[in-house]
Amino acid sequence: EIVLTQSPGTLSLSPGARATLSCRASQSVNSRYLIWYQQKPGQAPRLLIYGASSRAPGIPDRFSGSGSGTDFTLTISRLEPEDFAVYFCQQYGSSLYTFGQGTKLEIK
Amino acid sequence: EVQLVESGGGLVQPGRSLRLSCAASGFTFDDYAMHWVRQAPGKGLEWVSSISWNSGNIGYADSVKGRFTISRDNAKNSLYLQMNSLRPEDTALYYCAKESLVKRDFDYWGQGTLVTVSS
Repeated sequence: EIVLTQSPGTLSLSPGARATLSCRASQSVNSRYLIWYQQKPGQAPRLLIYGASSRAPGIPDRFSGSGSGTDFTLTISRLEPEDFAVYFCQQYGSSLYTFGQGTKLEIK
Repeated sequence: EVQLVESGGGLVQPGRSLRLSCAASGFTFDDYAMHWVRQAPGKGLEWVSSISWNSGNIGYADSVKGRFTISRDNAKNSLYLQMNSLRPEDTALYYCAKESLVKRDFDYWGQGTLVTVSS
């Protein structure tokens, strides 16, 4: 089973700043199946990025994904107040789906 | 509009059973694989189980294998999760999620149903 480790656990930034969130896999991940979600308190997760770098419909272009192999990154270019939330990466491989433990993005 | 509405959660004693349901609407249900994903209180997301559009391909996380059974009724646009031999560590909000075609991501989620396993 592929283990995804997200860092940092918590990221404290100000609105307008740039956020860089990391997702590292215990073994190589097919980039087609590396996904990012956003979750706000009391809400279900929301799909942000699929295929490591493709934005889901309706997702603003300040969100971007990159990476390959075992290292993937979610970047938010200029934080808006509504972006403060928890972010999870997810992968599919060998008929299993696994999630990272999440990064909490909080207002500084 | 895609809607996924879970039901069937509640308080149950360890060792007992519970059946969750998910009613789907707003899309062609029998075109898509469906999943159950859970989230323990204050914790991260854990994939539980998946079922292909025709029930021909089913998968489970090791943590539930042999205790949980996923099924679907395409005529009723419904997804189910039969949970047996429940343990306190199964306590979580259980989400029903739709998988997008090919990309292995979950593009729509329900609001979840809470399962609490406690004596």
